[in-house]
Amino acid sequence: AQTVTQSQPEMSVQEAETVTLSCTYDTSESDYYLFWYKQPPSRQMILVIRQEAYKQQNATENRFSVNFQKAAKSFSLKISDSQLGDAAMYFCAYRSARNTGNQFYFGTGTSLTVIP
Amino acid sequence: NAGVTQTPKFQVLKTGQSMTLQCAQDMNHEYMSWYRQDPGMGLRLIHYSVGAGITDQGEVPNGYNVSRSTTEDFPLRLLSAAPSQTSVYFCASMGGRAGYTFGSGTRLTVV
Repeated sequence: AQTVTQSQPEMSVQEAETVTLSCTYDTSESDYYLFWYKQPPSRQMILVIRQEAYKQQNATENRFSVNFQKAAKSFSLKISDSQLGDAAMYFCAYRSARNTGNQFYFGTGTSLTVIP
Repeated sequence: NAGVTQTPKFQVLKTGQSMTLQCAQDMNHEYMSWYRQDPGMGLRLIHYSVGAGITDQGEVPNGYNVSRSTTEDFPLRLLSAAPSQTSVYFCASMGGRAGYTFGSGTRLTVV
């Protein structure tokens, strides 16, 4: 089974600064998807950003961007101009692109604190 | 609003009791799944379904049962609750190559 590793259980960032959350994964497949989900205290899981492995260009969504290094199997999330509302648990997730590979594999999460 | 509706939001059970967590989606997604979230362990797949009438086990299926009689509904049954099943449960659905749409979660405590 694929594994997803988030080596930073907790991170903190000053408001308006930039922070990078790390994620690595292990797979023998060449076609897959990677995701970052945000879980605020409300418990709702919110999709932040998605990357398709066949695309070399890094995905961006407003203040959120990723650094996707396929050879290194690394998928980090950069949050620019951090806001108080960014405080949450962030989960990295992997999904195979095979038709039957709909299972997501999640990392253990990184808790992000935003300091005013 | 379109999405995944999950009920109840909170539940306390006594050991040995049974219950059903309800999940419904109105996006016509074929794929639905149940995850449990435990501290330090991320989300782990319990059961999933790729369409009405088709279900399969995930990583941690023991003690849970599912059925999928319609595209919309995917209930999760706890057959005989145990303290080890204290967790937060998420239902999620997916259409196409997009990511999951999650329900709001159920916090279950088994005493």
